[in-house]
Amino acid sequence: AAGVIQSPRHLIKEKRETATLKCYPIPRHDTVYWYQQGPGQDPQFLISFYEKMQSDKGSIPDRFSAQQFSDYHSELNMSSLELGDSALYFCASSRDRGRPDTQYFGPGTRLTVL
Amino acid sequence: AQSVSQHNHHVILSEAASLELGCNYSYGGTVNLFWYVQYPGQHLQLLLKYFSGDPLVKGIKGFEAEFIKSKFSFNLRKPSVQWSDTAEYFCAVNARGGSQGNLIFGKGTKLSVKP
Repeated sequence: AAGVIQSPRHLIKEKRETATLKCYPIPRHDTVYWYQQGPGQDPQFLISFYEKMQSDKGSIPDRFSAQQFSDYHSELNMSSLELGDSALYFCASSRDRGRPDTQYFGPGTRLTVL
Repeated sequence: AQSVSQHNHHVILSEAASLELGCNYSYGGTVNLFWYVQYPGQHLQLLLKYFSGDPLVKGIKGFEAEFIKSKFSFNLRKPSVQWSDTAEYFCAVNARGGSQGNLIFGKGTKLSVKP
């Protein structure tokens, strides 16, 4: 079965640089969630999109932005990167149809900021 | 505020031992409940979920969990663990029926199974 695809899998950036993470949800899934997992931490919700509209916002810094495109893939844009942004970034997709359903996670993008 | 509490940070068991991982949640409304597993270096995989109905749910790999509404608990169990169960286990909740589906995770429990 098709799974959530994330790219790149690994990314190394310098402080103050920008990064773009991509997420391709499972076909026919209408909702995308982004989570950040720091070393030894639980995943923290950043932002979500339902049918290409932002549906909820969590602890996402103002330096980050995201969007969902017409083909339902989503991109997380991160600017002015800081050392503390080093983490695993997961995307999850679900077929919510307006009501929360099961989320399936991608393999994650490991971002290292030097 | 919504929160999920997992009682054990690290559990060490020998193969064939029984497992029970505790999870309690705090939430003002009805919830969906999940257990995810994260094998070393891998992504979160769904073990099982509870939305409604029979409070005893069975998942993959022989895991099961029981929802006890009066105790706000959703404990994970497995009668006999294997070395391959070594992983981190996360309990998570989201609001049932609302528009905000983001998951709130517990801090996770690391399970180490000795062969």
